[in-house]
Amino acid sequence: QVQLVQSGAEVKKPGASVKVSCKASGYTFTGYYMHWVRQAPGQGLEWMGWINPNSGGTNYAQKFQGWVTMTRDTSISTAYMELSRLRSDDTAVYYCAREGDYGDYNNWGQGTLVTVSS
Amino acid sequence: EIVMTQSPATLSVSPGERATLSCRASQSVSSNLAWYQQKPGQAPRLLIYGASTRATGIPARFSGSGSGTEFTLTISSLQSEDFAVYYCQQYNNWPTFGQGTKVEIK
Repeated sequence: QVQLVQSGAEVKKPGASVKVSCKASGYTFTGYYMHWVRQAPGQGLEWMGWINPNSGGTNYAQKFQGWVTMTRDTSISTAYMELSRLRSDDTAVYYCAREGDYGDYNNWGQGTLVTVSS
Repeated sequence: EIVMTQSPATLSVSPGERATLSCRASQSVSSNLAWYQQKPGQAPRLLIYGASTRATGIPARFSGSGSGTEFTLTISSLQSEDFAVYYCQQYNNWPTFGQGTKVEIK
């Protein structure tokens, strides 16, 4: 079965960077786009962007352009999301989500809590 | 950016009753709309895609309808496990989510 397993919680200081990983199993990693979505405490869902694991091509939401980087390592079926210049309002749970055949997200990682605090 | 607006923000329903949730898009998204359920401390779960197709394993009490700019998620008879937050999402353009509707026990 499809599984997306994310790396553990992180605590970072303002201005630092964080890199979250998402290891995929149970399907052909290069066959499906991987998206990243975040959720601030008590808030809704915010799309950050996607990566095409086959080509490495990316598309970022305008808000995150210039400070998010999505990469992948096909040899270990893992996608990464790196956010730089962290601020306190970047405190959130970050999810990876596999795009389904119709553009929806039919599989999600368990989420990674990133806390930004001085 | 396509703005998705959900209503109501909170819906109080008794178990066994019907719940109707609405989602409106600021411009047409055709049928490129999904619904997700999220419980506290959990990742969202896909319920509906293509505006009206139930995802694998989703009970028949969940149904979706609509196209263009107006969409509805109906839960025909609420079970205890259905009390959660529900989000709509359009994927016709760069994906955007609604702000969510919390379905709580009346």
